[in-house]
Amino acid sequence: AQSVTQPDIHITVSEGASLELRCNYSYGATPYLFWYVQSPGQGLQLLLKYFSGDTLVQGIKGFEAEFKRSQSSFNLRKPSVHWSDAAEYFCAFYNAGNNRKLIWGLGTSLAVNP
Amino acid sequence: GAVVSQHPSRVICKSGTSVKIECRSLDFQATTMFWYRQFPKKSLMLMATSNEGSKATYEQGVEKDKFLINHASLTLSTLTVTSAHPEDSSFYICSARPPSFDEQFFGPGTRLTVL
Repeated sequence: AQSVTQPDIHITVSEGASLELRCNYSYGATPYLFWYVQSPGQGLQLLLKYFSGDTLVQGIKGFEAEFKRSQSSFNLRKPSVHWSDAAEYFCAFYNAGNNRKLIWGLGTSLAVNP
Repeated sequence: GAVVSQHPSRVICKSGTSVKIECRSLDFQATTMFWYRQFPKKSLMLMATSNEGSKATYEQGVEKDKFLINHASLTLSTLTVTSAHPEDSSFYICSARPPSFDEQFFGPGTRLTVL
């Protein structure tokens, strides 16, 4: 079955600390992978995406993610977290069927301590 | 570019009434639009996929007679919640995808509260 697993429901980090949010997918081929962020009261914003090529992708707001085929993972990282990064983070991928529906993880809620 | 708007952003209605939510792609044509529902602290649940000029495809468990979707033009899709009840209260999000494009662009969402 096609699925996305975000093992960490909630993470708390201190401002300035590094961050890694985990994402594992289950899919029979190389998927199109996405990370979205949803701030309180805000819409979903695309942080970065991976379709092909370089497995380390850079996104907005200083985020990056690395696609590891052998581990079926697409973990999101940031070297130094800012208080404004507190939000809900969603990993997702496209299936290959009609309409290319996004398959979503359950999200990781990030809290940032001052 | 690639802006999607939703209207209204918030709506409060009485039980038994119908509510229409609009989703517009402002600067591109969207052959496909998606409607999601998001519960508090939960992920997005895809409700239906709509292609311009054809009937929407509903996900399993979504009542098509309750959640009416119309995608009458390449820039507008509407979701009508008919005979709304308190359990329909939720955050509804639409997204739009341009033709031959692999990314969806999301609207800001509509908070529906049914009293």
